[in-house]
Amino acid sequence: EAGVAQSPRYKIIEKRQSVAFWCNPISGHATLYWYQQILGQGPKLLIQFQNNGVVDDSQLPKDRFSAERLKGVDSTLKIQPAKLEDSAVYLCASSSRLAGVADTQYFGPGTRLTVL
Amino acid sequence: GQQLNQSPQSMFIQEGEDVSMNCTSSSIFNTWLWYKQDPGEGPVLLIALYKAGELTSNGRLTAQFGITRKDSFLNISASIPSDVGIYFCAAAITGTASKLTFGTGTRLQVTL
Repeated sequence: EAGVAQSPRYKIIEKRQSVAFWCNPISGHATLYWYQQILGQGPKLLIQFQNNGVVDDSQLPKDRFSAERLKGVDSTLKIQPAKLEDSAVYLCASSSRLAGVADTQYFGPGTRLTVL
Repeated sequence: GQQLNQSPQSMFIQEGEDVSMNCTSSSIFNTWLWYKQDPGEGPVLLIALYKAGELTSNGRLTAQFGITRKDSFLNISASIPSDVGIYFCAAAITGTASKLTFGTGTRLQVTL
């Protein structure tokens, strides 16, 4: 079974530029998550989708971050414009269980973003 | 927001030694998970605990869900070099959006 795929693996941009990350979850997984992991910290949930609907985006900085999962499969996370403090690893995870049930989340390798 | 306090923050041990780390919270959770993260990779689930007092093993790893539902510990027996990495606890409350809160991590380094 293929794991969660993410691209790109690394991205370096200047502040105020835009950037987008892509995630393809494990086939058949209904729930998809985006996390931000700042160096030295644990992952922090940004947004959770069930199929193509948003379940929780309470910690997403909506003035600059957006995410979509239009067809309920792959997803993109965008930052526009980027700030220095956005430098982090962005992790995508997916789960076969429905949102609201404690689940096993499978993580992708992440995209390491550096904002200069 | 919620925070999980993990300790120790880092540890150096010799191969063959046993390791113990724990995770505490001021809030009650009904699911505790332990993940390991290698450099450049995403976290990988090691053990999941769903019931207060539950003790679960996975090979050389043993984890327990604290009876107060506010803590959990992870033990690694007879450590080997490939145990090196960062170990994260995570906790959730079912019935909500199942949002996982992660701890700050314990960095484990194993010397020969």
